[in-house]
Amino acid sequence: EPEVTQTPSHQVTQMGQEVILRCVPISNHLYFYWYRQILGQKVEFLVSFYNNEISEKSEIFDDQFSVERPDGSNFTLKIRSTKLEDSAMYFCASSTSLGRNTEAFFGQGTRLTVV
Amino acid sequence: GENVEQHPSTLSVQEGDSAVIKCTYSDSASNYFPWYKQELGKGPQLIIDIRSNVGEKKDQRIAVTLNKTAKHFSLHITETQPEDSAVYFCAASWAGGTSYGKLTFGQGTILTVHP
Repeated sequence: EPEVTQTPSHQVTQMGQEVILRCVPISNHLYFYWYRQILGQKVEFLVSFYNNEISEKSEIFDDQFSVERPDGSNFTLKIRSTKLEDSAMYFCASSTSLGRNTEAFFGQGTRLTVV
Repeated sequence: GENVEQHPSTLSVQEGDSAVIKCTYSDSASNYFPWYKQELGKGPQLIIDIRSNVGEKKDQRIAVTLNKTAKHFSLHITETQPEDSAVYFCAASWAGGTSYGKLTFGQGTILTVHP
């Protein structure tokens, strides 16, 4: 069964460093998302991406964050100058289309720990 | 923006009993309501969804009901089994037009099914 894969499963980084979280969406999907979940809190939407550009982003997704689809298979989230409060589980998701078919498939997540 | 509230935060049942998880949403424009199950170390997996043109949907032991007037929807699991133990999330989105499928999640419910 096709699945969304994320790497690494756990990333530890020093405060102020840059991290890149990687995702391989399901191959025929067109819409890509990043969500995060701070421990004990809700899963929060960060950004959606379609046709090689950001289609929607939340207030959380400020200039510290960027996304990219560098090739036909990967979808990355870059966090510059990490802060302690960026520590969270980051989930990538993808879906085939809008409208009636909005089922989003999630990856297993990357746990980011900023120390 | 949309806000989704989910109750209870924890639910403990005996094997064979039913479990009910309830969610409310704030944005009357939301028209897509998925439920996700998250097991330890895995990403959220869609288990059932419902759209606003339907009041109830059932898939084997799982059913979801939607009350658009009251803006609430519920997940019902019958004949629970220990493997149903997981965290369950409800979510809401507006699917269609220029919406790109952003999901707003509830807080999650930790369901424990005791053998």
